[in-house]
Amino acid sequence: SYELTQPPSVSVSPGQTARITCSGDALPKQYAYWYQQKPGQAPVLVIYKDSERPSGIPERFSGSSSGTTVTLTISGVQAEDEADYYCQSADSSGTPFIVFGTGTKVTVL
Amino acid sequence: EVQLVESGGGLVQPGGSLRLSCAASGFTFSDHYMDWVRQAPGKGLEWVGRTRNKANSYTTEYAASVKGRFTISRDDSKNSLYLQMNSLKTEDTAVYYCARGLNSGPDLLPAFDIWGQGTMVTVSS
Repeated sequence: SYELTQPPSVSVSPGQTARITCSGDALPKQYAYWYQQKPGQAPVLVIYKDSERPSGIPERFSGSSSGTTVTLTISGVQAEDEADYYCQSADSSGTPFIVFGTGTKVTVL
Repeated sequence: EVQLVESGGGLVQPGGSLRLSCAASGFTFSDHYMDWVRQAPGKGLEWVGRTRNKANSYTTEYAASVKGRFTISRDDSKNSLYLQMNSLKTEDTAVYYCARGLNSGPDLLPAFDIWGQGTMVTVSS
């Protein structure tokens, strides 16, 4: 089955840049999406179609794509950005199955 | 305000059944695909399944882990989404979220822009 692989954790100091990668064989053919989830809360969409930002999401969140890897970048990290982040895409085998990445815990030091 | 509110979670024995509901408000429910996503305690997100809209014949898709046991339905007249869960297993224990499919212009994208707060399902004897 299709898998999306993320690093388990990323640590960053306030004001620095956090980069979270997501790797999957179908990513060159399918868009990626990113969600932020804080403890006890529902996920929030922060990036769609690889690099688009929904209204209300701060400009410090950005996305990019290169081959089989997509990256979520948080520039000028703030304490409130500490959360779990999940990438998500669709299975490109012809069925519209939704796949989530393994998740990355971002810790603000 | 755009909102999704799940209900119907609880404790059920293995092999039992449960029906979850999701009430939508603040948007044109019938325009959107609707999905269920679950999260086991301390684990990541897992897609459960989706129902498309009327324009796409209300067709459904399911994750392999629930196919044949779970059924997704919707009632556009009531702005409601449902998840009928049968033959429940201990590994179905999770918070179940309903989520709105993302519409970007004319495109119905395989992603979610609005989530409910979730309802907990515990399968245990």
